[in-house]
Amino acid sequence: EVQLVESGGGLVQPGGSLRLSCAASGFTFSSYWMHWVRQAPGKGLVWVSRINSAGITTTYADSVKGRFTISRDNSKNTLYLQMNSLRAEDTAVYYCVRERATWPDIWGQGTMVTVSS
Amino acid sequence: DIVMTQTPLSLSVTPGQPASMSCKSSQSLVHSDGKTYLYWYLQKPGQSPQLLMYEVSSRFSGVPDRFSGSGSGTDFTLKISRVEAEDVGVYYCMQGIHPWTFGQGTKVEIK
Repeated sequence: EVQLVESGGGLVQPGGSLRLSCAASGFTFSSYWMHWVRQAPGKGLVWVSRINSAGITTTYADSVKGRFTISRDNSKNTLYLQMNSLRAEDTAVYYCVRERATWPDIWGQGTMVTVSS
Repeated sequence: DIVMTQTPLSLSVTPGQPASMSCKSSQSLVHSDGKTYLYWYLQKPGQSPQLLMYEVSSRFSGVPDRFSGSGSGTDFTLKISRVEAEDVGVYYCMQGIHPWTFGQGTKVEIK
C-alpha cells in the first residue's frame, strides 16, 4: 500500500524550531518529487515547499523562505522539513505530499504544528 | 502566483439532487505541452484531501462517475450529478503550474 506518514509535530514557542519527518512506503520514493502543504485551523490549503527526486533542487513559498529547509534521505525513504524561527502564523497541519506528473496524488494524514507561548 | 477563486463558498444539497461549483484562475492554466493543469480535491471531515479529477475532466481511479469536470483556459466547473451523503466535505480546485495554489474551497453539506 502506498503510504506517507508524518511525524514530529507539536507545541513550540514563537522563535523555536521543529523538524517534521515523512516516512514513505509502498512506492519507489527516490523517483518522485515531494512537497509539503499546510492548512491552518479552519482554513484552506497552502503550498509550502518542494524538493526534486534527487534532493538537489528545492523551492519555497515566500512566507517560509529563509526559515524552513526541505530535505530528503532516499536511502531511508524519508522526507524532512526543518522549521526555524517559527511564528504564530505557522500554526497548521502539515501534509507530506507526493507529486505525480504535476499534481499531488498521495497525501499523508498530516501532523499538527502549534506555535504559541 | 496564480490566484484561484471558487464559488460558491458553501452549498446545501438534497440527496439525489445535482450540485455544481465553479473555479476561476487569474491566468490560463494551459501549459505549453497542451495540457490544462487544473485539479479537484475533496477533503472529507477530519481527513486529508483526496484527488477527484485531474487535467480538468479525467476522473482519478475509484472516483464515481457521478463526478464530472469541465472547462477551459481560466474557467472550470465540477458537477455532481446526484449528491450522496458521502460527498460532504470541502471541495478544492488546484492549479499545477508551479507554485501550486488552491482555491478557498466550496463546503458541501446535505440538507
